[in-house]
Amino acid sequence: DAKTTQPPSMDCAEGRAANLPCNHSTISGNEYVYWYRQIHSQGPQYIIHGLKNNETNEMASLIITEDRKSSTLILPHATLRDTAVYYCIVRVGRNAGNNRKLIWGLGTSLAVNP
Amino acid sequence: NAGVTQTPKFQVLKTGQSMTLQCAQDMNHNSMYWYRQDPGMGLRLIYYSASEGTTDKGEVPNGYNVSRLNKREFSLRLESAAPSQTSVYFCASSPLAGGPRNIQYFGAGTRLSVL
Repeated sequence: DAKTTQPPSMDCAEGRAANLPCNHSTISGNEYVYWYRQIHSQGPQYIIHGLKNNETNEMASLIITEDRKSSTLILPHATLRDTAVYYCIVRVGRNAGNNRKLIWGLGTSLAVNP
Repeated sequence: NAGVTQTPKFQVLKTGQSMTLQCAQDMNHNSMYWYRQDPGMGLRLIYYSASEGTTDKGEVPNGYNVSRLNKREFSLRLESAAPSQTSVYFCASSPLAGGPRNIQYFGAGTRLSVL
């Protein structure tokens, strides 16, 4: 699975959009981008995933560049409860081999400030 | 709406003691996973079970055993605990083992200290 690179920490003002970048320059054509987050002392929580099109759900938007070498998770109106570590993971989507594993990095620690 | 339930939430063991961490999910998922999380490191996969009746090693299986008791339950056993196994343990489940919709749902974790 491709490796991802994320900034170790970011700050955001409450009510503003939080834009979390992720580089995955070695991503291959059949690898999906997944985002999870982990609020302090809790288990990780799925946010969103995509292959090449931009995606939006009730939690966030995912913008994937045309060359798929990077992506941005957008929390449109960050709240204090969005303070967490955000993980960007790439993984093969097809059902075979070792694709069952998610390779977790250290993520980005997002602090939403009042 | 329990999702993934782990017991116990906290545990302190002495070196050499054994214990079993329990995990149950009520979402009718086929696949289940055990991870550990240490300070300054990402989650690392210990074992997983793609479906009832199967288990496979993950990245760091040494010192652990697992049992997929039925579709709902997946336990992790430490036969002889060591201080290096002090960690936070997370259980997760997903509808399937692979595919793009393989979203994993996590429990609240078990905080284990081995003295």
